[in-house]
Amino acid sequence: AQSVTQLGSHVSVSEGALVLLRCNYSSSVPPYLFWYVQYPNQGLQLLLKYTSAATLVKGINGFEAEFKKSETSFHLTKPSAHMSDAAEYFCAVLNYGGSQGNLIFGKGTKLSVKP
Amino acid sequence: EAGVAQSPRYKIIEKRQSVAFWCNPISGHATLYWYQQILGQGPKLLIQFQNNGVVDDSQLPKDRFSAERLKGVDSTLKIQPAKLEDSAVYLCASSLDLPGTQWFFGPGTRLTVL
Repeated sequence: AQSVTQLGSHVSVSEGALVLLRCNYSSSVPPYLFWYVQYPNQGLQLLLKYTSAATLVKGINGFEAEFKKSETSFHLTKPSAHMSDAAEYFCAVLNYGGSQGNLIFGKGTKLSVKP
Repeated sequence: EAGVAQSPRYKIIEKRQSVAFWCNPISGHATLYWYQQILGQGPKLLIQFQNNGVVDDSQLPKDRFSAERLKGVDSTLKIQPAKLEDSAVYLCASSLDLPGTQWFFGPGTRLTVL
């Protein structure tokens, strides 16, 4: 069975500071991992995904994540936070089932950006 | 291309009432998902359709929740009767029937049960 754990339900950074959102996974098979962002009153938007190719994955809006098998981690980073990054971020792992599978999400981390 | 459409966007009902949500996926997407997102938690899969067949409904509370996807396109999710703990955002998502393709999420329906 697959699962993800997000450490920290709320992270606050200053504008221009490094953003680090933590995600650890548990999977009995090589995982496919995802980061999604959710702005208030909106659906989920894919930031990036890891599908067993390069371990450093670059996504939209300057975000990237590194897959570390030895640490079972897939942390999300951005070198310099912007006010527009304030949102909730979800880590997810693919749960195999059918031809597509489905996503199992973590509890989310709310990112606040201070001016 | 048009995104995943959901309606209504907001719904307030009293407990024991019934409610239905509608989802129109992206054209051509064979797989459709309903997720429940309770405040402070990540989305949880309720049901997954492939065309008009159910792939996974293991977490759907079948005593009160039902869902259908007629003709393999639109889908409705119904709750009857609603409980206070059903207050949540109900997200619909769709994807092509190809492994590794992207899921697209709708804006969700926020349900408040009083």
